[in-house]
Amino acid sequence: EVQVVESGGGLVQPGGSLRLSCTASGFTFSSYEMNWVRQAPGKGLEWVSYISSSGSTIHYADSLKGRFTISRDNAKNSLYLQMNTLRAEDTAVYYCARCYSSSSGRTMDVWGKGTTVTVSP
Amino acid sequence: EIVLTQSPDFQSVTPKEKVTITCRASQSIGSSLHWYQQKADQSPRLLIKYASQSFSGVPSRFNGSGSGTDFTLTINNLEAEDAATYYCHQSSSSWTFGQGTKVEIK
Repeated sequence: EVQVVESGGGLVQPGGSLRLSCTASGFTFSSYEMNWVRQAPGKGLEWVSYISSSGSTIHYADSLKGRFTISRDNAKNSLYLQMNTLRAEDTAVYYCARCYSSSSGRTMDVWGKGTTVTVSP
Repeated sequence: EIVLTQSPDFQSVTPKEKVTITCRASQSIGSSLHWYQQKADQSPRLLIKYASQSFSGVPSRFNGSGSGTDFTLTINNLEAEDAATYYCHQSSSSWTFGQGTKVEIK
């Protein structure tokens, strides 16, 4: 079964750091671009970051202002999101999502169940 | 940043009705527009890719259309299991999502 499973969420104080992980199975992870998307409580979806299959190309949402770092380890079938200087507004469910790529462009076709990050004193 | 505006924000409909959700982009995005369904306490599910292409396994009652700045998701013959929030998403530039449209079944 094709799936991605997120982990690493939890409660962290403002200004703190957290590292999220996403483990893939059922497909050749090293061949796929990946993304992180988040959803604040009761709010809509917000794209966070993208990484190419090799890790050589990375993009971030402008709103993150350099606080987050995406990375991957293809040998471990894993995607990561290092989050620093966390703020209350970073509180959200963080989803790992696989890129669906074609000649028409990209979208996201496989999503995990998400991991919850809560930033609070 | 490309802003996606969905309408309506909420729709209450009876089974077998037709639902139409629109998504307007703040600038032309070609066909780089996709639709997702998110049921309560679940992760998003891809329904329609590149404006009009149904994703694998999606029931035929879900249809997408449009290009440029104006897009539509149509759900024909609505079923109770279609109660969800629907999001449009653009992948033309610095990916963004619409604010969502909640569909409630009467």
